[in-house]
Order: sequence, then structure tokens, then C-alpha cells
Amino acid sequence: AQKITQTQPGMFVQEKEAVTLDCTYDTSDQSYGLFWYKQPSSGEMIFLIYQGSYDEQNATEGRYSLNFQKARKSANLVISASQLGDSAMYFCAMRVAETSGSRLTFGEGTQLTVNP
Amino acid sequence: DGGITQSPKYLFRKEGQNVTLSCEQNLNHDAMYWYRQDPGQGLRLIYYSQIVNDFQKGDIAEGYSVSREKKESFPLTVTSAQKNPTAFYLCASSRHHIGYQPQHFGDGTRLSIL
Repeated sequence: AQKITQTQPGMFVQEKEAVTLDCTYDTSDQSYGLFWYKQPSSGEMIFLIYQGSYDEQNATEGRYSLNFQKARKSANLVISASQLGDSAMYFCAMRVAETSGSRLTFGEGTQLTVNP
Repeated sequence: DGGITQSPKYLFRKEGQNVTLSCEQNLNHDAMYWYRQDPGQGLRLIYYSQIVNDFQKGDIAEGYSVSREKKESFPLTVTSAQKNPTAFYLCASSRHHIGYQPQHFGDGTRLSIL
């Protein structure tokens, strides 16, 4: 079975500073994908960034980067230059090979608040 | 613009009543998914469908039913057997059921008990 752990229920950051949201995962599969989603208060889930288990370089998408440490089974999201609009719930998720229907397993989420 | 449309945005259910949540996508995606989210928690998979006329139970399928008669549509019925249906329901789709394409989500339906 797969499991995602997000140990920070809430995080606060000052506008324009960087923030790291933690995510650890557990799986016995060698091939998997890791995703981060943003959920504003309105409820929709917005895809941010993806990291494959065989990718040698950390993924980056604009102000988002994923600090992937395979041996430690961690996939932390780094948001640089935080903006007020970054205030939202952030979910880490994992997807393993098609044997399980390629379902996403989600963590409990981290509520990020960006202060002016 | 392509996307996923969920309706209604808010839904109220009376005791003993079945209700159906709509999910339509025009992304030409093969796979579709239904998730449930309770307050302050992550998403849990209810049902998923990899191709038309096929669907599989997820982790919390009891009290729910689905159909996949068309590629674009994946409605979810919350039956009277679901004793605690109050939650936020999210529909998602991805291009294929294999590989690691990201899942794209609709805006969700909030279901409450009257």
C-alpha cells in the first residue's frame, strides 16, 4: 500500500520569502510519480508540479520546485518569492504503476498562509 | 476551452434519497475518477474508470454507484445506503490510465444532508 505523509498542518510565510512544504512517501514500487496540487478556498484542485521516480533532476515549474530525495523518500515543494495568492491548501500525491488503476494517493495537506 | 464541468455546485439530499452528481469532460481523456474530501482532510478515491463501459471500486465505494456510457461523462450516484454523504466531491480525468499524466480536476460539488 502507498502512503503520503504531510507533517505540517499549517505554515506561515512572509510575502516575497521562500517556503518549503514537506512531503514523505512510502511505497514498495520502483516506478512512481509524485505530484503537488494547490487547493484554494474555492475548492478546485490545481496541478502544480510532477516528479518521476526515475527523473535525475528536480522538477521546476516557474516559482515551484520539487526537492526530490529518493533515498529519504521525500518530495518537498519549494515556493520561491511567495505571493498573497499562494495562500491555499497544498496536497502532495503519489501515483504508482497501472496495477492499481493509476490512482492518486493524497496526503492530508498543508494550509499555507502568506502574510503581507 | 477544454476542461471538466461538475454540476451542481451545491446539492442537498433528503433522508432516503438518491442523488446524482454530474461530471463531463471535453479533454478527450480516457480515464476518469471520483474523489471525496471531508473537511480538513485529503482526497479519497470512490470509483475510477479507465475506459468506456468499465469502472472499478476505489477505497470508499460503499454507498456509491457510477456509470461510464460515454467517454465524456462519468456521473456519480450517492445512494441512500451512504449514511454520511456530507462532503465535497471532486471529479478528475487523465489522458490515460497508465503512465503519470497529471489528473485534472473539476470545481467540485458540495453535498449536504437536509
